[in-house]
Amino acid sequence: EAGVAQSPRYKIIEKRQSVAFWCNPISGHATLYWYQQILGQGPKLLIQFQNNGVVDDSQLPKDRFSAERLKGVDSTLKIQPAKLEDSAVYLCASSLGLAGKNIQYFGAGTRLSVL
Amino acid sequence: QQQVKQSPQSLIVQKGGISIINCAYENTAFDYFPWYQQFPGKGPALLIAIRPDVSEKKEGRFTISFNKSAKQFSLHIMDSQPGDSATYFCAAGAEGYGGSQGNLIFGKGTKLSVKP
Repeated sequence: EAGVAQSPRYKIIEKRQSVAFWCNPISGHATLYWYQQILGQGPKLLIQFQNNGVVDDSQLPKDRFSAERLKGVDSTLKIQPAKLEDSAVYLCASSLGLAGKNIQYFGAGTRLSVL
Repeated sequence: QQQVKQSPQSLIVQKGGISIINCAYENTAFDYFPWYQQFPGKGPALLIAIRPDVSEKKEGRFTISFNKSAKQFSLHIMDSQPGDSATYFCAAGAEGYGGSQGNLIFGKGTKLSVKP
C-alpha cells in the first residue's frame, strides 16, 4: 500500500512570496489533515478535511493560508504572502475516517524556508 | 486544556537500558493516546496507542502506562537500541473533539539518543 505522498520535499522562498504544497493521501482514506511542524515542536493541526468538506480549520491563519480538497482525494495548501515565521515542515496525514479507526498516517512533509 | 505536556525534551540512554518519556494532559475528553516516532527527514509514524479503559499496553519492547486519575501516560522502551534513536511525540485526541473524527494534540517531542 502506497503511503501519503507530498511534494515538493523542500521549498525556499522570500517573504511576501506565495507557495503551494500538494498532498495525495492513502487510497480510500476519507480524512485528510495538514499540520505545521516548527523546528523543535510537535505537529500542530492547521486544517482537517472529511472527503472534500472542511471539518476543522480553527487554527488556520485564514488571512494568508488556504487549503482545498476539491474531489475528496488530493489536497493543496497555499500560503500567500509568506512570512518569516512560516518557516516549518508542513505535514500531510490521512486516516480512514471511521469511528474508532483514526490512525493517522503521515507523509514525509515539505520543508519550507522563508528568507 | 488543549495542551499535552511532554518531558524530558531530550534523553540519552545506553544500549540495553530503559527509556522513559512522560506526558500529561488536562482535557478529560481525551480518550485516545498515541505515541509517534519520527526519524530525521521523515513524517511521524504511529508506534503504539492506548485508550483509557486499560492501564497498560505492551507491544514488543514498547509499553504505554496510563494513569487516568493523574491524567498522565508514559512510554517505556525496554532494551533500548541505537536504532531507536529518534524523536518521540505523545499525542491525545478524542472522537468528536475538534471534528467528527477527532484531531490530535501533540506534545513537543523528546529526542532520544541511544549510545552503543
